Amino acid sequence: AQSVAQPEDQVNVAEGNPLTVKCTYSVSGNPYLFWYVQYPNRGLQFLLKYITGDNLVKGSYGFEAEFNKSQTSFHLKKPSALVSDSALYFCAVRDGGGSTLGRLYFGRGTQLTVWP
Amino acid sequence: NAGVTQTPKFQVLKTGQSMTLQCAQDMNHEYMSWYRQDPGMGLRLIHYSVGAGITDQGEVPNGYNVSRSTTEDFPLRLLSAAPSQTSVYFCASSYTTGGRTDTQYFGPGTRLTVL
Repeated sequence: AQSVAQPEDQVNVAEGNPLTVKCTYSVSGNPYLFWYVQYPNRGLQFLLKYITGDNLVKGSYGFEAEFNKSQTSFHLKKPSALVSDSALYFCAVRDGGGSTLGRLYFGRGTQLTVWP
Repeated sequence: NAGVTQTPKFQVLKTGQSMTLQCAQDMNHEYMSWYRQDPGMGLRLIHYSVGAGITDQGEVPNGYNVSRSTTEDFPLRLLSAAPSQTSVYFCASSYTTGGRTDTQYFGPGTRLTVL
């Protein structure tokens, strides 16, 4: 069965420090992996995705994510956090195999707080 | 290009009432879907559609109906509202490649409270 785990409900970092938001997944076939961000009272915004190719994917707002097949992980990173990065982050996986049109499975979300 | 739009933004219903949440997209996406977001639960798929006239159930379809008469619109109907349906509802759309979805784009959400 497809699933996504975000082991940390909350991540707190100081502005200017590097940040990591963790994600592990379980999926049949080759995974399509996504990160979305949700600001308060807003919809989800697409940050980046991994489908194939280079394991390090660069996305919007200076975020990047590293795909690690052996560890089935897709951690979101940023070298220097900003207060404006404070938001709820969702990891999602879409299986690349033969199931229902590649349905998206979401993690429960990680609340990132960056303090000044 | 408005992307994905949803109306209303807020709604309060009484138990047993029915209503329709509207969703429209102007990106000519074949795939559209409805999710509900509850605290600590992430997003759960309610219904989805792969094109006009084609819909299917997701993870939590009970109490909801959908139809897709055009590519642009994908309304979600609550048949008889229950307090358990208090949630934030998001519509999303995606183009498809080889019949499979790619990046999904989300609307701003509808916050529904059922008393």
